Amino acid sequence: GDSVTQMEGPVTLSEEAFLTINCTYTATGYPSLFWYVQYPGEGLQLLLKATKADDKGSNKGFEATYRKETTSFHLEKGSVQVSDSAVYFCALSTSGTYKYIFGTGTRLKVLA
Amino acid sequence: DTGVSQNPRHKITKRGQNVTFRCDPISEHNRLYWYRQTLGQGPEFLTYFQNEAQLEKSRLLSDRFSAERPKGSFSTLEIQRTEQGDSAMYLCASSPPAGGFETQYFGPGTRLLVL
Repeated sequence: GDSVTQMEGPVTLSEEAFLTINCTYTATGYPSLFWYVQYPGEGLQLLLKATKADDKGSNKGFEATYRKETTSFHLEKGSVQVSDSAVYFCALSTSGTYKYIFGTGTRLKVLA
Repeated sequence: DTGVSQNPRHKITKRGQNVTFRCDPISEHNRLYWYRQTLGQGPEFLTYFQNEAQLEKSRLLSDRFSAERPKGSFSTLEIQRTEQGDSAMYLCASSPPAGGFETQYFGPGTRLLVL
C-alpha cells in the first residue's frame, strides 16, 4: 500500500543553520505531497504542498520539490529560527477519497 | 471562517465506557475526515465522509467505532466499550468541494485517555 517514510528525529540545530528533513514515499498512483507542521500545543497546519512532479512548494522560507524519479519530497530551509521548533509531518494524498497518509513526524529543536 | 472545531478537547473515561466526539467542519466544506494520532506517530486515517455519505472506513475502525455525519454538516465519532488502546488524539479535518487534491484543514483534536 501507499506509505511515507521520514527521517527520524529529533533534529537539533543552532539558529541560522540549514535544515533538511528527508521524506520519501511509495504510491501506486500520482499523489499530491504535503508538509504539515505541529507547533507545541497546537493543531496541524499546512506548511506547503506540491501536486505534480517537479512542482516546488514554498512557505515561510521552507521549500520542498516533488521529485518523481527519486519518490522524494525533502523539506529544506536555509536559515532556521527558534520559532521553527515543532514537529514536521510529510504526507501524501491520492485520488479517490484524497485521504492523507502521514509519515511518523520529525521533531525539530532550534537552539538560540 | 472560524476553522474546524472539535469537542470536547479532552476526555478521560474508564475502560468499558462509551464516548462520543463531535467535529464541526468549516462551513461549505463537504469532505470530512477522521484521523487518530498516538504519541510519537503521525495521524492515521480512520474514515471519510463526502456530504452525509461515509465513503471509506479504515480497517483500524473496529466494530466498536461508529461515525456519522447527518445532514452533511457536523460529524460524531463514537467509541463503544473503550479500551486502554483507544487512548489517542482524535483529529478531524475538512476540505472544500473540488475535483482534486484540496488542502485538508485540521481541528485541534480531542485527546482521549482511557483508564
